[in-house]
Amino acid sequence: QKEVEQDPGPLSVPEGAIVSLNCTYSNSAFQYFMWYRQYSRKGPELLMYTYSSGNKEDGRFTAQVDKSSKYISLFIRDSQPSDSATYLCAIEGAGSYQLTFGKGTKLSVIP
Amino acid sequence: IAGITQAPTSQILAAGRRMTLRCTQDMRHNAMYWYRQDLGLGLRLIHYSNTAGTTGKGEVPDGYSVSRANTDDFPLTLASAVPSQTSVYFCASSSLLRGGTGELFFGEGSRLTVL
Repeated sequence: QKEVEQDPGPLSVPEGAIVSLNCTYSNSAFQYFMWYRQYSRKGPELLMYTYSSGNKEDGRFTAQVDKSSKYISLFIRDSQPSDSATYLCAIEGAGSYQLTFGKGTKLSVIP
Repeated sequence: IAGITQAPTSQILAAGRRMTLRCTQDMRHNAMYWYRQDLGLGLRLIHYSNTAGTTGKGEVPDGYSVSRANTDDFPLTLASAVPSQTSVYFCASSSLLRGGTGELFFGEGSRLTVL
């Protein structure tokens, strides 16, 4: 079993839809949870960073962590065409200093 | 603000040739990383360096070497390129936090094709 599982999609939604992106992980030692966004032919950039269970909100984006289920989610409200990108979850164990990335989910928001 | 600069942006290389991908950062981050990104496989760590003068192996280090002579530069060398090394290579840096990597800042990538 891979340490981090992420459905690669692709996922296509109409503009204005609520998007849910998810990852599962197997190692209960993971303590830091991140979402990166990668536009086509660009490097990834950090979108959300959290280290505890629960929700963290930033504008239209909400990151959710459920450590008991080893499940993390990213919700995008009122999705826009500019949200079209690949979204990668990244998870890290405390003190490991090495991120494990999911394979990424490609999202297209159709105007 | 430049951040991470990678060179070349793309390269076609004959199998068996030696190739060095260059990476420079201007953020004075202590940690630097090299990842490769392949369709269906995601981002995989090749080598990393937590501070100048030290390096470590990631998930897929075979066929690659790195050096970290100073804080800013972290070149990746393919001693004898093979077609399976065709990929997009990303350099990244971070200012290590206590207990964690912190935010990774990525370059724009180097697209390498080995024929």
